[in-house]
This record gives sequence, C-alpha cells and structure tokens, in this order.
Amino acid sequence: EVQLVESGGVLVQPGGSLKLSCAVSGFTLSGSGVHWVRQASGKGLEWVGRIRNKVHNYGTTYAPSVKGRFSISRDDSENMAYLQMSSLKTEDTAVYYCARPGGSEQWLMTWGQGTLVTVSS
Amino acid sequence: SYVLTQPPSVSVAPGQTATIICGGNNIGSKSVHWYQQKPGQAPVVVVYEDSDRPSGISERFSGSSSGSTATLTITRVEAGDEADYYCQVWDSGSDHWVFGGGTRLTVL
Repeated sequence: EVQLVESGGVLVQPGGSLKLSCAVSGFTLSGSGVHWVRQASGKGLEWVGRIRNKVHNYGTTYAPSVKGRFSISRDDSENMAYLQMSSLKTEDTAVYYCARPGGSEQWLMTWGQGTLVTVSS
Repeated sequence: SYVLTQPPSVSVAPGQTATIICGGNNIGSKSVHWYQQKPGQAPVVVVYEDSDRPSGISERFSGSSSGSTATLTITRVEAGDEADYYCQVWDSGSDHWVFGGGTRLTVL
C-alpha cells in the first residue's frame, strides 16, 4: 500500500524555524517527485512547492508566498522528504500535506494525512 | 500568476446531477484535475487530466474542459458525495501548481 506520513508539526513562535518530514512507503521514492500543499483552518488548498527526482536534478519550485523562506529536500536512501521552514509568520499556520504526483506529474495522486503547524506567540 | 475561479457552494438534491465549474484563462489548453475533500480528511483525486478517473472512483464522477471553463459532473448524487471539491492545474509558464478556491457541495 502506498503511504505518505507527515510529522514534525508543532507550535512555533513567529520568526522561528521548523522542519517537517514526509515518510513514504509502498513505492520507491527515488523515481518520484514530492509536493507540499498546505491548508489553513477553514480555507482552501495552497500549493507550497515541489522537488523533482534525481533524473531531473532534484529541481525545486516554490509558491511566491514561501519562496526564500521554505526549502524542500529529500533523502531517497531513507525514503524521506522534508520541508524546512524559516522566518515563519502567523499566516503560515496550516495543515501541511506531502503528496506524490501522478504519471504526468501534473496532478497529485496520493496524499498524506497532514501535520499541523501553528505559528503563534 | 494563473488564477482558477470556483463558486463557493453548490447544492443538489439526492439522485440529481451536480455540476461544479472551474474558470481560468484558456483553461481548455491545460490539463485539469479535481479533488474531493471531506471534513478532517486529506484530499482525494476524483478526476485527473480533464476526464480520467483513478481506479476506485465511481463512474458517477466525470470531467470535461473547454475554452475558459472546466466542469466536474457528479450524477445520481448521494449523501456521501457531500464534500469540498477543488480544481487544479499546472501552470507551465511559472512551473507552479494552482488550486481553485474550492466548492462546497451540499446534498439537500
């Protein structure tokens, strides 16, 4: 069974940093990209960014709202992906999902259950 | 940046057909994907690449796209279809993934 499991969400102060993890199983991470998507309470889905696989030089792309503050990385040997967040703002408070893209890589085939990040003093 | 526009809500009686639209500039030239999200759960793709259905998704769900509008159609609506629905595209110009604001489907 294909699974993605996020962890690392906690309460953090504005201006702080946090690293989320995404553990994958049921498929080989090395052949896949990984996306991060977030959702503030009662709001819609917001794409955060993605990292491509080795064939595509682990290329990354980020939404304008997080570019320069967030960074996505991966460890294929451990089947893990990460979202490093810094200079956190209250508006970054959300449930963060990692997701595996589908065949064309234009859609998100499998999602994790999400982890809650709360940015507050 | 590319923008997708959805109506905030759609209501339909059980057994009827629900139509959820997603508007975007020349969206017919892009591949459109649709996700269903129930309260407290992660999103699930119900239609991808305009009109394809993943295995396990009911044939009652279908999609189409042309011009400036994409459409998700749910026939013979059931109470279990009540959820938020999001359209999504990949914007090649910016290499960004874009979601619509979401439509809450209420089954009367």
